[in-house]
Amino acid sequence: DVKVTQSSRYLVKRTGEKVFLECVQDMDHENMFWYRQDPGLGLRLIYFSYDVKMKEKGDIPEGYSVSREKKERFSLILESASTNQTSMYLCASSLDLAGGQHEQYFGPGTRLTVT
Amino acid sequence: AQSVTQPDIHITVSEGASLELRCNYSYGATPYLFWYVQSPGQGLQLLLKYFSGDTLVQGIKGFEAEFKRSQSSFNLRKPSVHWSDAAEYFCAVGAGGTSYGKLTFGQGTILTVHP
Repeated sequence: DVKVTQSSRYLVKRTGEKVFLECVQDMDHENMFWYRQDPGLGLRLIYFSYDVKMKEKGDIPEGYSVSREKKERFSLILESASTNQTSMYLCASSLDLAGGQHEQYFGPGTRLTVT
Repeated sequence: AQSVTQPDIHITVSEGASLELRCNYSYGATPYLFWYVQSPGQGLQLLLKYFSGDTLVQGIKGFEAEFKRSQSSFNLRKPSVHWSDAAEYFCAVGAGGTSYGKLTFGQGTILTVHP
């Protein structure tokens, strides 16, 4: 069974703090993704990575950065947290399939509150 | 770029009734289509996927979906809903190829089941 784990289920931070969200997958997947989920907006892609040290912006990258130093680990960084970054953050991973598409496997999510 | 629309934000059904959740996509080529379910406080779980071949696909938990190219739709169905099906459902489309496994998600449909 594929397992995607996220470092925290709930997190409360203050405005201006630097925040790290960690994601680890145990199935040697090439692709990893960070989404934020807000009511009525579905999942929106923040950043994704298709290999170690390789990253690409998603649809809403502003205010976020990422790091992928090892294949199994993908970190999301909020350099200076703001209240509008209060959200549910979901990490996912998938195999790379040239010319095709594999499903994504999701972690349980981190509910971040910025006060 | 691809897009997904789930026209129904919230659907309420009685236990034992049939269910259909709508999904419309926009994509120029043959899409890769997915339905995911999210129980409260959890990550997303894959229900079923369509890549090619038979346009009626079977998934887990008694769900099925039908790909209709002429209508750009991929509606999810279940003949008899159980109380445990109460959750949020997301339709997603992928482009395959060199897209690194990215998915575009719809806004989600919240399903409430009355006893």
